[in-house]
Amino acid sequence: AQTVTQSQPEMSVQEAETVTLSCTYDTSESDYYLFWYKQPPSRQMILVIRQEAYKQQNATENRFSVNFQKAAKSFSLKISDSQLGDAAMYFCASSLVGGAQKLVFGQGTRLTINP
Amino acid sequence: GAVVSQHPSWVICKSGTSVKIECRSLDFQATTMFWYRQFPKQSLMLMATSNEGSKATYEQGVEKDKFLINHASLTLSTLTVTSAHPEDSSFYICSARSPTGGIDTQYFGPGTRLTVL
Repeated sequence: AQTVTQSQPEMSVQEAETVTLSCTYDTSESDYYLFWYKQPPSRQMILVIRQEAYKQQNATENRFSVNFQKAAKSFSLKISDSQLGDAAMYFCASSLVGGAQKLVFGQGTRLTINP
Repeated sequence: GAVVSQHPSWVICKSGTSVKIECRSLDFQATTMFWYRQFPKQSLMLMATSNEGSKATYEQGVEKDKFLINHASLTLSTLTVTSAHPEDSSFYICSARSPTGGIDTQYFGPGTRLTVL
């Protein structure tokens, strides 16, 4: 069974600074997908970034990038030049390739941006 | 692209009544949709997987007779909470799966807040 763990319930960062959110996972599969979603106060789940496990290159989306360490089963999210709009709950998630592709979510990390 | 709508955004009902929540993929077809429940300050809990044209697959502990799911078309799935009780009050979120960019990704609706009096 897949599991996803986010060990940081809360994080805070100064506006314009960089912050890294941690995520570890466990799976017996060799191919899978990894995701970061954010949930702002509106509670709308928004896709931030995604990564295919068989791709070595770390995914990047503008100010958001990941550090994917497959051997260590780690998938951290780096937010550069933090903005007030980045304040949200961030969820790390994984799904298998093929089949139902259900998402398994971590517990979430609440990110606060200090002006 | 990959927009998912959900209706209603909030609903208040009396105990014992039924409530239907709609989930639509607006700009893509989704053979698979998912229904989640989220309690305050917690992560999302998967309730069921909805497959177009077939019966939904429910997670362990979810009452299929209480949470009726219908996926009648490639763009619409509905969740009906039957004989709702106060303990069913929660935030319900749907998602639809799309293979955009070569990675099957779930895109989420804005959620429905259900309050049962």
